[in-house]
Amino acid sequence: EAEVAQSPRYKITEKSQAVAFWCDPISGHATLYWYRQILGQGPELLVQFQDESVVDDSQLPKDRFSAERLKGVDSTLKIQPAELGDSAMYLCASSPLTGGDLHEQYFGPGTRLTVT
Amino acid sequence: AQSVTQLDSQVPVFEEAPVELRCNYSSSVSVYLFWYVQYPNQGLQLLLKYLSGSTLVKGINGFEAEFNKSQTSFHLRKPSVHISDTAEYFCAVRGMDSSYKLIFGSGTRLLVRP
Repeated sequence: EAEVAQSPRYKITEKSQAVAFWCDPISGHATLYWYRQILGQGPELLVQFQDESVVDDSQLPKDRFSAERLKGVDSTLKIQPAELGDSAMYLCASSPLTGGDLHEQYFGPGTRLTVT
Repeated sequence: AQSVTQLDSQVPVFEEAPVELRCNYSSSVSVYLFWYVQYPNQGLQLLLKYLSGSTLVKGINGFEAEFNKSQTSFHLRKPSVHISDTAEYFCAVRGMDSSYKLIFGSGTRLLVRP
């Protein structure tokens, strides 16, 4: 069964350092999402791509966060510089544009970030 | 805009007992509704979804949910829980507009005791 891949699974970094996360969606899924999940809360959308274009980045802290999906397939989320408050689980999800499961988002295992 | 409220942050229950996890939503447009489960240090897995049609929706692992439009609720139920059902459960809503944005509740931790 196809899955969303994310790496690394865990990352510990010091504040003010740069950190990057990678996501490879299910093959053929045009829409890709990055979520941030703070401990004890539900996921919150950071950015949504359709193919290589950003559809929604209204909740992305653009002074320190950036996201790209250059070829419309895999994606990278970067934080520079990292702050203590960025400690969270970063989840990637993908969904198709057509088909019976077009309303469903498939989630990867996430990257647990700890900023010290 | 949409919002989701999961009033119970934790629900303890004994094994083989029934359980209900509550979810209420608000929206100015019609919505699609979802329940996801998250095991420790893992991503989210879809349990079930309501798109249209019958208001009683059956999902994986013996879970079901009922959409109640008048009460704007989508409560999740299971008649008999197992230890392995211990996890975090999230209710989510998406408006029937052009956006695919999911709005999640804060989650309910189901703790099944032997």
